[in-house]
Amino acid sequence: QQPVQSPQAVILREGEDAVINCSSSKALYSVHWYRQKHGEAPVFLMILLKGGEQKGHEKISASFNEKKQQSSLYLTASQLSYSGTYFCGTAGGAQKLVFGQGTRLTINP
Amino acid sequence: ETGVTQSPTHLIKTRGQQVTLRCSSQSGHNTVSWYQQALGQGPQFIFQYYREEENGRGNFPPRFSGLQFPNYSSELNVNALELDDSALYLCASSRTSGVQETQYFGPGTRLLVL
Repeated sequence: QQPVQSPQAVILREGEDAVINCSSSKALYSVHWYRQKHGEAPVFLMILLKGGEQKGHEKISASFNEKKQQSSLYLTASQLSYSGTYFCGTAGGAQKLVFGQGTRLTINP
Repeated sequence: ETGVTQSPTHLIKTRGQQVTLRCSSQSGHNTVSWYQQALGQGPQFIFQYYREEENGRGNFPPRFSGLQFPNYSSELNVNALELDDSALYLCASSRTSGVQETQYFGPGTRLLVL
């Protein structure tokens, strides 16, 4: 079952914040976040494991609520380099990684 | 740079032909997963190879097959190509096969079927 990402697209000005959500109908063991720029391969951002932990990476952080089967990616004080399509990938039990449809983030100067 | 390489970068085939795509995993990784990414979509899981054995398969027909070699590099073979097979094919390597492992993607092979 493919996770559902929201919003599908968002446009920000440089310095603004964004939140990207990822919801699954299945119990999750891990959530993986990637960013993909046009014509390039997805680049790993972070992985969150069952346990509700929050992770941070410079101005990008994420949370994982296993009870709600949801994860959120937080981008703070966005930079032009943050532009791209963000994908969450979810995995539960023996299920391999299933990716959402993506959230397109555009950062304008 | 993830250390994962794929060849060729681009390929044009006609309907009904067969194609082989190649992937070299990152040093120290024994697992390779293959994905198909259609334009504007997220990567769709095709199958995974762990220590030379298929270790999970997505909803793809048997004409999609693969191999993993003793050095953990991998091939994806697609027979009887269809127009809908046109996509970016990504491989990702990971240290091992668990869902807690980070997968590192290669640059992909863009396949166009005419």
